[in-house]
Amino acid sequence: KQEVTQIPAALSVPEGENLVLNCSFTDSAIYNLQWFRQDPGKGLTSLLLIQSSQREQTSGRLNASLDKSSGRSTLYIAASQPGDSATYLCAVDNDYKLSFGAGTTVTVRA
Amino acid sequence: GAVVSQHPSRVICKSGTSVKIECRSLDFQATTMFWYRQFPKQSLMLMATSNEGSKATYEQGVEKDKFLINHASLTLSTLTVTSAHPEDSSFYICSAPPNPTGGGTEAFFGQGTRLTVV
Repeated sequence: KQEVTQIPAALSVPEGENLVLNCSFTDSAIYNLQWFRQDPGKGLTSLLLIQSSQREQTSGRLNASLDKSSGRSTLYIAASQPGDSATYLCAVDNDYKLSFGAGTTVTVRA
Repeated sequence: GAVVSQHPSRVICKSGTSVKIECRSLDFQATTMFWYRQFPKQSLMLMATSNEGSKATYEQGVEKDKFLINHASLTLSTLTVTSAHPEDSSFYICSAPPNPTGGGTEAFFGQGTRLTVV
């Protein structure tokens, strides 16, 4: 059974600082890995999708890396803003059945 | 990206009643949809796989008689929580892959439904 772990569980930084969020998974036979953002009481917003054959994906201030062999992914958010405050979830795709981590709750202080 | 619509976004019901949640794919056909549940401060857990034209597949520990899933058409799946109890209060969210020929494409999620049983 796939196990997904996210570290740290919570993170508080001053505005402008770079964020580093970690995700690890136990079964490397994945199709892809997705990073999501979840605001309190809301649904999921897809941020980045990394296919199993890729090493990284970038979108604006976001960059995600994937090392499938070691079962790790890292989400980098550059120059954080208060609007980046949310919970960030990583999910690995084993034939469309997504296994989620518990998330990292980020607070960016103005 | 593909759009998945979920309704209602919030529902409060009395203990013992049933609640139906709808998940629709608006601009594509979805032969498969997935239902997840999220308890407060916990991760999303897959409950079941909804298959158009056949029975749903439930994950271990999920009561199929309590959580009824009907994939009525290629664009609609419904989850009915029967005889709801306060412990069923949770955030329920569906997802649909646009091209279910194997994994690898982006998963699109509905907005989620916050169920509160009083």
